Amino acid sequence: ETGVTQTPRHLVMGMTNKKSLKCEQHLGHNAMYWYKQSAKKPLELMFVYSLEERVENNSVPSRFSPECPNSSHLFLHLHTLQPEDSALYLCASSQDLGRSLGYTEAFFGQGTRLTVV
Amino acid sequence: AQSVTQPDIHITVSEGASLELRCNYSYGATPYLFWYVQSPGQGLQLLLKYFSGDTLVQGIKGFEAEFKRSQSSFNLRKPSVHWSDAAEYFCAVGYGGSQGNLIFGKGTKLSVKP
Repeated sequence: ETGVTQTPRHLVMGMTNKKSLKCEQHLGHNAMYWYKQSAKKPLELMFVYSLEERVENNSVPSRFSPECPNSSHLFLHLHTLQPEDSALYLCASSQDLGRSLGYTEAFFGQGTRLTVV
Repeated sequence: AQSVTQPDIHITVSEGASLELRCNYSYGATPYLFWYVQSPGQGLQLLLKYFSGDTLVQGIKGFEAEFKRSQSSFNLRKPSVHWSDAAEYFCAVGYGGSQGNLIFGKGTKLSVKP
């Protein structure tokens, strides 16, 4: 248990569905992240939030829409996904972005296994 | 461009044997280096990290890693593997000013024989 909780753990959705992934942390961290882990590919950073503001968006398709309503919660809204979007989606948090204090440790959730059919 | 290479996709070792997982990186400046472990169905757990100072760093679960600048390597080692170490291991390099700017290797899957 790392203190980062993701729900649901598994999700199967059709290409026309709309669903949301949820991430919650009660570690008092200020930064939260979404990563995509596909088979045989390195982890890909999707979004970075610091103090509820998005600070990085790594050219992610618009069918993925993040939302950070407060520093403890992060959502990933999904709509009209493609089968190639099937992957493990990992949420992580860290104390801050590490820009002034050096790197801080990132704590990962267990992930949501997404299958798009 | 920054990159991380883990040349071994899958390694099998016997329980009690020593382990070394390789990691090479490409980065112009002094890197921030990490090793993470992922058990099946789980998220990533940080094993150890190198920011500066002593090039041999100790981590959790009896793991250690050595930073060798001349070889651009950060290999993970454990003197005696336990069956519970079976998992996938990821090397990562941090750059810029953000922990989020981590580049991960593709991972090495470790299997442990009884």
